Amino acid sequence: DTEVTQTPKHLVMGMTNKKSLKCEQHMGHRAMYWYKQKAKKPPELMFVYSYEKLSINESVPSRFSPECPNSSLLNLHLHALQPEDSALYLCASSQDRTGKISGNTIYFGEGSWLTVV
Amino acid sequence: AQSVTQLDSHVSVSEGTPVLLRCNYSSSYSPSLFWYVQHPNKGLQLLLKYTSAATLVKGINGFEAEFKKSETSFHLTKPSAHMSDAAEYFCVVSSNDYKLSFGAGTTVTVRA
Repeated sequence: DTEVTQTPKHLVMGMTNKKSLKCEQHMGHRAMYWYKQKAKKPPELMFVYSYEKLSINESVPSRFSPECPNSSLLNLHLHALQPEDSALYLCASSQDRTGKISGNTIYFGEGSWLTVV
Repeated sequence: AQSVTQLDSHVSVSEGTPVLLRCNYSSSYSPSLFWYVQHPNKGLQLLLKYTSAATLVKGINGFEAEFKKSETSFHLTKPSAHMSDAAEYFCVVSSNDYKLSFGAGTTVTVRA
């Protein structure tokens, strides 16, 4: 089973709203990721969690706030977003026994389509 | 440092004919290489990966790729295209940290 589950599949929010994207995996993976993908572009890394600790923040604006409550769950809290933040947000996970991903496969979820109005 | 170049932004083939998607990479370390497929309005699905074992890698749905170190290439092929192969394909390299480097993507269309 290589499933990464994301909810909701679609989200429309106003610029003053607070909402959250959720991600869950039950593969025992210890690294989890958030990516942002705009139309016709490859995904861009936002955050990496390794063993529930934030390892990488790719200079993402503070209106995006990640949270890793446990090894199976990853949230992305959204507040005061801009219309240009509308995109597909992909969650992913991989094994992290060595602290690096080299050789590890990253498994992606189906994504959450976010529209900011 | 690592980078990926997908040599074709768009490939159009007839159903039943071969598909070739070209990918060149650069990496300071021994890389792991992947091909992912993204169907419209879907997430990324792993097609296959190379991690320094056999240089010819077989994946799902009849796809395979050959790692050529001397040419720094990792081209993806399929002998006979199916209508369901119409999608976006990404060549990806990972080396020694958490960051994947994605190619720009190749859009595959399949003509009936």
